Amino acid sequence: DSGVTQTPKHLITATGQRVTLRCSPRSGDLSVYWYQQSLDQGLQFLIQYYNGEERAKGNILERFSAQQFPDLHSELNLSSLELGDSALYFCASSVEGRGEKLFFGSGTQLSVL
Amino acid sequence: GESVGLHLPTLSVQEGDNSIINCAYSNSASDYFIWYKQESGKGPQFIIDIRSNMDKRQGQRVTVLLNKTVKHLSLQIAATQPGDSAVYFCAENPNSGYALNFGKGTSLLVTP
Repeated sequence: DSGVTQTPKHLITATGQRVTLRCSPRSGDLSVYWYQQSLDQGLQFLIQYYNGEERAKGNILERFSAQQFPDLHSELNLSSLELGDSALYFCASSVEGRGEKLFFGSGTQLSVL
Repeated sequence: GESVGLHLPTLSVQEGDNSIINCAYSNSASDYFIWYKQESGKGPQFIIDIRSNMDKRQGQRVTVLLNKTVKHLSLQIAATQPGDSAVYFCAENPNSGYALNFGKGTSLLVTP
């Protein structure tokens, strides 16, 4: 158990819909990362937050947004969903948020039908 | 753009043999490298890491080798066990950036 909690584990929805994925980092970790994992793209970095502030952005679509709350949990919002958004979404956390060892949650499997 | 990649997409080894998983990186400014193991239905799990000022680092049954001259990283697993069957990812941190850049992964299958 990495200490990173993600909910829900599975999400099935339809095209055009909006969903929210939730992540609680390890106790003491200030930084949260979101990654998308698909079969043909591997693990793609989406966005990072550190202590409530956005720190780095990767290949995140404009339809996607995230935030980190004062209690350090984070949410990833995916809107206007398309079939191609179906993927595993992972949250990871680290202490300093400078690209050191990340601890990953178990992921949310999103299926867009 | 610069990226991290893997030489072999799949690797099959017999139980008890040693496994070697390779990874090439192209960003010469990368100063931190890490290996993760991902089992089916789970998130990536940390195995071992190495900084660019080192050539070799050993853990429990695993060794990571870094060759900066040819920009190559390898993970050696000694006495491979069925529980080692998983997908292995290498990742790099380009020049103390904020996020890890992952390769596409190598599937390791351990046969009895």
